[in-house]
Amino acid sequence: DAGVIQSPRHEVTEMGQEVTLRCKPISGHNSLFWYRQTMMRGLELLIYFNNNVPIDDSGMPEDRFSAKMPNASFSTLKIQPSEPRDSAVYFCASSLGSGVTEAFFGQGTRLTVV
Amino acid sequence: AQSVTQPDIHITVSEGASLELRCNYSYGATPYLFWYVQSPGQGLQLLLKYFSGDTLVQGIKGFEAEFKRSQSSFNLRKPSVHWSDAAEYFCAVWSLMSDDYKLSFGAGTTVTVRA
Repeated sequence: DAGVIQSPRHEVTEMGQEVTLRCKPISGHNSLFWYRQTMMRGLELLIYFNNNVPIDDSGMPEDRFSAKMPNASFSTLKIQPSEPRDSAVYFCASSLGSGVTEAFFGQGTRLTVV
Repeated sequence: AQSVTQPDIHITVSEGASLELRCNYSYGATPYLFWYVQSPGQGLQLLLKYFSGDTLVQGIKGFEAEFKRSQSSFNLRKPSVHWSDAAEYFCAVWSLMSDDYKLSFGAGTTVTVRA
């Protein structure tokens, strides 16, 4: 298995532009997480899906952020409009089951908003 | 909310020396605890996990961790570090509380290995 696949690996965009980050979880996994990592705040959980349904989105910073999971093999995190403070590394992770289990992480997308 | 605390931001250790990284958790019930490692520019990789049973848990890359309920700790150890162990290490806890159901991470400890 190729693991969790995120694209793009790096994204540089101008303030005000829309940014879409993509994630393909491990096949068969039914839980998916989006995390944001910054020096100031560490790893923050943004949103958690189980069986394609958002279970907890309390970590989504504001309305500019939205996430979707249209099917079991694909998820997107969209920022519109983007701001410099959104610059961070965004990780997607997936796990098997809806309970406590190991989460497998992608390599992340480094977003820079200028 | 349930949480983990990693008191040490940065640790420097000599190659071949032992390493211990501290992790304290705040959780009302039996915690589900993890240690992850992140190499530069990479995602997080699971080193080991504790769900129940034996309080001394063995992981990959020669790491182990001990769960101590009385101290609310889950410290990570390695008897002899290698230069390749230089990375950032994260302790994490799965919260099963109905209003806080998620995997939460500590702030991380950066390990530098000197020759």
